[in-house]
Amino acid sequence: GENVEQHPSTLSVQEGDSAVIKCTYSDSASNYFPWYKQELGKRPQLIIDIRSNVGEKKDQRIAVTLNKTAKHFSLHITETQPEDSAVYFCAAPHNNAGNMLTFGGGTRLMVKP
Amino acid sequence: EPEVTQTPSHQVTQMGQEVILRCVPISNHLYFYWYRQILGQKVEFLVSFYNNEISEKSEIFDDQFSVERPDGSNFTLKIRSTKLEDSAMYFCASRATGEAQHFGDGTRLSIL
Repeated sequence: GENVEQHPSTLSVQEGDSAVIKCTYSDSASNYFPWYKQELGKRPQLIIDIRSNVGEKKDQRIAVTLNKTAKHFSLHITETQPEDSAVYFCAAPHNNAGNMLTFGGGTRLMVKP
Repeated sequence: EPEVTQTPSHQVTQMGQEVILRCVPISNHLYFYWYRQILGQKVEFLVSFYNNEISEKSEIFDDQFSVERPDGSNFTLKIRSTKLEDSAMYFCASRATGEAQHFGDGTRLSIL
């Protein structure tokens, strides 16, 4: 099955700085990689995802990069704001049908004003 | 924007009792999931459901757990005889073909 490792577990940045969170996965057949943001006591919310046919995807201040050879993908948040503070989870599917997501351990991002 | 809805938001149950958690997936979605999240930990997959049957389940989803789609809109998770370690946040998710999973707000299950 899929094994997803996520680093760092906590990340503290100053407002306006960039934040980078990295994940590695084990199953080379995985082809879809979503990132979820979870605020305290709330649902995981999809913020961006990437498929294996592209190496990078951007959405305003958020970008995700994928290196299939090395089996890792990263979330980049630029110009961080206090409201970016949350726990971020990466995930990878157990199989190509995407029937289950294996989540990383999560990164608690704190953006200091 | 359509959402996955879950009820109740918080369920308190005595150990050994049965509990049913309810979910209404987004209406045009065909794939349904249950996940759980123990406080402060990562989200863990329990079960996936498609075409009226379980398509995959994890080791956590043992004989005490079952899922059902009793009608065209609801998707339920039943825990037959709850244990203290079942205390967690339970999330329902759904997705359309080829799209991302969308999560509900969760049900916080507290076993006393």
